[in-house]
Amino acid sequence: GAVVSQHPSRVICKSGTSVKIECRSLDFQATTMFWYRQFPKQSLMLMATSNEGSKATYEQGVEKDKFLINHASLTLSTLTVTSAHPEDSSFYICSARGGAGSEAFFGQGTRLTVV
Amino acid sequence: KQEVTQIPAALSVPEGENLVLNCSFTDSAIYNLQWFRQDPGKGLTSLLLIQSSQREQTSGRLNASLDKSSGRSTLYIAASQPGDSATYLCAVRPDGTSYGKLTFGQGTILTVHP
Repeated sequence: GAVVSQHPSRVICKSGTSVKIECRSLDFQATTMFWYRQFPKQSLMLMATSNEGSKATYEQGVEKDKFLINHASLTLSTLTVTSAHPEDSSFYICSARGGAGSEAFFGQGTRLTVV
Repeated sequence: KQEVTQIPAALSVPEGENLVLNCSFTDSAIYNLQWFRQDPGKGLTSLLLIQSSQREQTSGRLNASLDKSSGRSTLYIAASQPGDSATYLCAVRPDGTSYGKLTFGQGTILTVHP
């Protein structure tokens, strides 16, 4: 299957700083990328959907000014957690899909810890 | 609003047993359903994808079925092995438009002991 690479896999940051997470599709062009958040022992909750070259669509309750998403190319989307707080500590996973009928492939996830 | 439920929440079986994981969804208007595996602290690995027009898909020891009208899917694992231990998630995609975000169930934590 297609490969989606997420970086970094783990990050620890101080409260108040910003953290950027990258999601890359390595062997296909991802017209759509999704960002999910997963709390311990819970399922994935969609945060936002991004299409290359356009603004992301955020799910209800997700602060777009706090979770900045950029999908500048067909192979790269970034999620920036701004002014991070301990409650932002979570597992963030991206997913990428080539076209409307294609399967979604997931990155390895990023464990964010805000101290 | 689509809701996806997985039963059981956890399952522990001895090696070699055949087992069934269940997934139900409230809105039968789906585009496809996908089963994933997640190892602790890792991302998701896609196991099987069933289009709404299909009844089942098979890959090795795995067989997934879909009954769209009743809002149910099952994942059958034959001859389970300790390496099958993981969390299994099912997810549905609502439509074929360009967005089509996935709605996930809470997962079934499977433990296969030697």
